[in-house]
Amino acid sequence: NAGVTQTPKFRILKIGQSMTLQCTQDMNHNYMYWYRQDPGMGLKLIYYSVGAGITDKGEVPNGYNVSRSTTEDFPLRLELAAPSQTSVYFCASRGTVSGEAFFGQGTRLTVV
Amino acid sequence: RKEVEQDPGPFNVPEGATVAFNCTYSNSASQSFFWYRQDCRKEPKLLMSVYSSGNEDGRFTAQLNRASQYISLLIRDSKLSDSATYLCVVKGDGSSNTGKLIFGQGTTLQVKP
Repeated sequence: NAGVTQTPKFRILKIGQSMTLQCTQDMNHNYMYWYRQDPGMGLKLIYYSVGAGITDKGEVPNGYNVSRSTTEDFPLRLELAAPSQTSVYFCASRGTVSGEAFFGQGTRLTVV
Repeated sequence: RKEVEQDPGPFNVPEGATVAFNCTYSNSASQSFFWYRQDCRKEPKLLMSVYSSGNEDGRFTAQLNRASQYISLLIRDSKLSDSATYLCVVKGDGSSNTGKLIFGQGTTLQVKP
C-alpha cells in the first residue's frame, strides 16, 4: 500500500540549476496537487490537476511547470532554481468525491 | 485578502483543557471544508470533514457558519498527543472546476502536562 510516493526526499540545488520532483500515486485518483510549505507557514498550492492531460495553476505557480500524461504521475519541474524556492514540497492526491487528500512524505529542497 | 485565514497561535494549554480554533474563508462559493492535522516535519493528514449541520468525532467537534464564512474546531479534554498544527482546508471555488484545495496557514497547539 504505497499511496503517494515522492522522490527525492532531500535535494540541494545551486542557483540556476533545474530539477524535477517526482510524484506517483497508486490509488487511481483523478486529482493531484503540488504544494510548497515554508517554515512556520501553511501549504501554498502551486499547481493541480483534475485528470490526465489537464493541469491548472494554483496560488504560486511562477517558476514551476507540471505535466500529467498519466493518472499515476504528476512531476513538478523547476527550470531555473532560485533561493526563494527553498521549501518543503508536498504532492497529494484525492478521489473524485472525497475531500480527503493523501500526501507524500515531502521533498526538502534547498537552493544555494 | 488570503483565501483561508487562521490565527497561527501558538495555543499553549494544559492537559484536559478545551480549546477552539477558528478559520475564515473569502470565497462564498466554496463547497467543502475540512480540518487536517500536521505533526512536526510530517505530511498533513485528514482529521475530519466539516458538515453544515456540525459534526463530532470523539473529543473533536467541527462547525461551519456559511453566512459568516467561518469554520471552527473544538477540542475537549486535550491530550499531550493533540500537540500539532491544525490546518483549515477549503475545497472548490464556485467554478465548474471543483479541484482546488486551499490550505490555511495552520494553528499550532501545544498541550502541556
